Amino acid sequence: DTGVSQDPRHKITKRGQNVTFRCDPISEHNRLYWYRQTLGQGPEFLTYFQNEAQLEKSRLLSDRFSAERPKGSFSTLEIQRTEQGDSAMYLCASSFEGLAGMEELFFGEGSRLTVL
Amino acid sequence: AQTVTQSQPEMSVQEAETVTLSCTYDTSESDYYLFWYKQPPSRQMILVIRQEAYKQQNATENRFSVNFQKAAKSFSLKISDSQLGDAAMYFCAYTEYGNKLVFGAGTILRVKS
Repeated sequence: DTGVSQDPRHKITKRGQNVTFRCDPISEHNRLYWYRQTLGQGPEFLTYFQNEAQLEKSRLLSDRFSAERPKGSFSTLEIQRTEQGDSAMYLCASSFEGLAGMEELFFGEGSRLTVL
Repeated sequence: AQTVTQSQPEMSVQEAETVTLSCTYDTSESDYYLFWYKQPPSRQMILVIRQEAYKQQNATENRFSVNFQKAAKSFSLKISDSQLGDAAMYFCAYTEYGNKLVFGAGTILRVKS
């Protein structure tokens, strides 16, 4: 397994356009997280999935944002009608949550969004 | 809401020396986890060390160790024998079991040769 992969690595778009990011977690991981990181700041939680169920969404996730994880495998994060304030690095992470307690989060390299 | 504060935006250390990065957090919970993550430039974040709040013993991973002061809500990271490859952004993070991570703003660590 090569770890968490994200695609595309960099997306430049014009304000008002829609963008979609994809995350492929480590195959045996049942949890998948999306975070947003702006320059010089720590990642901020957006949402997470346990298998295919979306269990929590941050208030940061406006109605222009939607995330899915069909079949509990890969996940997509779509941003509709992008705004310049959406410019950030979007990080995906995965982990396995079992009886042993919280396991390590493995992060992808991120998808950088630039909205012009 | 839980918050994590890293008061040092930037730190420098001479190669082979020791450096300590500070982190404080705010929570009303008694059971939680604390982490230090390393983010090299243009690379993904990787876990450096973790600490379970119920454990009194400070975690250690090779050259990395923590000073966990539960009453003071402090969680500092000590890097011994610093190496050039340690240069990165370091994030302190908090979570309760089965929940999301809350990150601090990060500390840039520069290592001088």
